[in-house]
Amino acid sequence: GAVVSQHPSWVICKSGTSVKIECRSLDFQATTMFWYRQFPKQSLMLMATSNEGSKATYEQGVEKDKFLINHASLTLSTLTVTSAHPEDSSFYICSALLGREQPQHFGDGTRLSIL
Amino acid sequence: AQKITQTQPGMFVQEKEAVTLDCTYDTSDPSYGLFWYKQPSSGEMIFLIYQGSYDQQNATEGRYSLNFQKARKSANLVISASQLGDSAMYFCAMREGNTGGFKTIFGAGTRLFVKA
Repeated sequence: GAVVSQHPSWVICKSGTSVKIECRSLDFQATTMFWYRQFPKQSLMLMATSNEGSKATYEQGVEKDKFLINHASLTLSTLTVTSAHPEDSSFYICSALLGREQPQHFGDGTRLSIL
Repeated sequence: AQKITQTQPGMFVQEKEAVTLDCTYDTSDPSYGLFWYKQPSSGEMIFLIYQGSYDQQNATEGRYSLNFQKARKSANLVISASQLGDSAMYFCAMREGNTGGFKTIFGAGTRLFVKA
């Protein structure tokens, strides 16, 4: 079946560091990918929709300059948390969409801890 | 705007019994899809079942079935013959077909505990 690979799975870094998370579709082309953020024991909150070859569409309240999304190819989307601070610590998870009536295929997520 | 509501923060079920997880939704788009996902403590999202708004029959996938009541805007997940491995967080999700840009919105989730 379709597989989405997300890397890294765990990041611990100092405050002020920028962190890049990669999301790859391994055996299919994904024109649309999504980035979610999940706090402990809470639901997935959609941050942005990443479209190949165009700018990402951010949800209300999500800082574009803080969370940079790049979808340079049909198999790769990246999320860069710029100048990360402790409040950015969270579980970030990406997904790729095969088709309108298809389920999203999720990566395994990235646990980000900012010290 | 689309909205998904899961009113049960936690549910307990005895092993081998059936359990129903509630989900209601709200949308003005006549074309939409409803999904259920399972999230174990390890964090990955596992797709369980899908129901399209125009589907005439309730979706079934093995031990999972979706009780789709369109007029009531509900899409409850039924798990039959619960197993210990079913203990996890369960999310109901909706994707609008015509106006939502294919983005999927998730409910708050229900944590299921299966007792031996």
